[in-house]
Amino acid sequence: EPEVTQTPSHQVTQMGQEVILRCVPISNHLYFYWYRQILGQKVEFLVSFYNNEISEKSEIFDDQFSVERPDGSNFTLKIRSTKLEDSAMYFCASRELLEQFFGPGTRLTVL
Amino acid sequence: AQRVTQPEKLLSVFKGAPVELKCNYSYSGSPELFWYVQYSRQRLQLLLRHISRESIKGFTADLNKGETSFHLKKPFAQEEDSAMYYCALRVGFGNEKLTFGTGTRLTIIP
Repeated sequence: EPEVTQTPSHQVTQMGQEVILRCVPISNHLYFYWYRQILGQKVEFLVSFYNNEISEKSEIFDDQFSVERPDGSNFTLKIRSTKLEDSAMYFCASRELLEQFFGPGTRLTVL
Repeated sequence: AQRVTQPEKLLSVFKGAPVELKCNYSYSGSPELFWYVQYSRQRLQLLLRHISRESIKGFTADLNKGETSFHLKKPFAQEEDSAMYYCALRVGFGNEKLTFGTGTRLTIIP
């Protein structure tokens, strides 16, 4: 059964550094999402992406964040200058019809 | 703005006993409600959605618009039900984001 994959599983970075989190959605899906979950808190929506553009973003998704679908398979989330409070689990999801399928997540630790 | 509330962070139930995980929402329109489950070391996966009105792994959930609730129930808990359960809401066509509750960790006591 096809699955959403994410790399790396764990990323450690220094404050102020740029990070790129990568996702490979399920191949025939057209809608893509990023969510994050700070430890002990709820899963929060960051951004949705369709037809090569952002369709919605939350207030968390400020100018430090960007998303890209650089080729036909990858979907990336870039954080330009990481802050301590960006430490969280980041989940990618993709959708064809009604159901969003989630990846296993990338744990980002900002030191 | 919409909100999902799961009042119990932790819930322990004996094997064979009934389970009820509570979920309340606030939204003035007609949302879609979902239950997602995350087993240990696994990804979030959809358990059930209210529009399907189906039973998955013995779990059911009924949308009560009057009480704005979508509680998850199972008559007889099994050890493999131990997991994190998240209630989620989606509003309107075109607004596809999911709004999650904080989750309930369900532990089934053998």
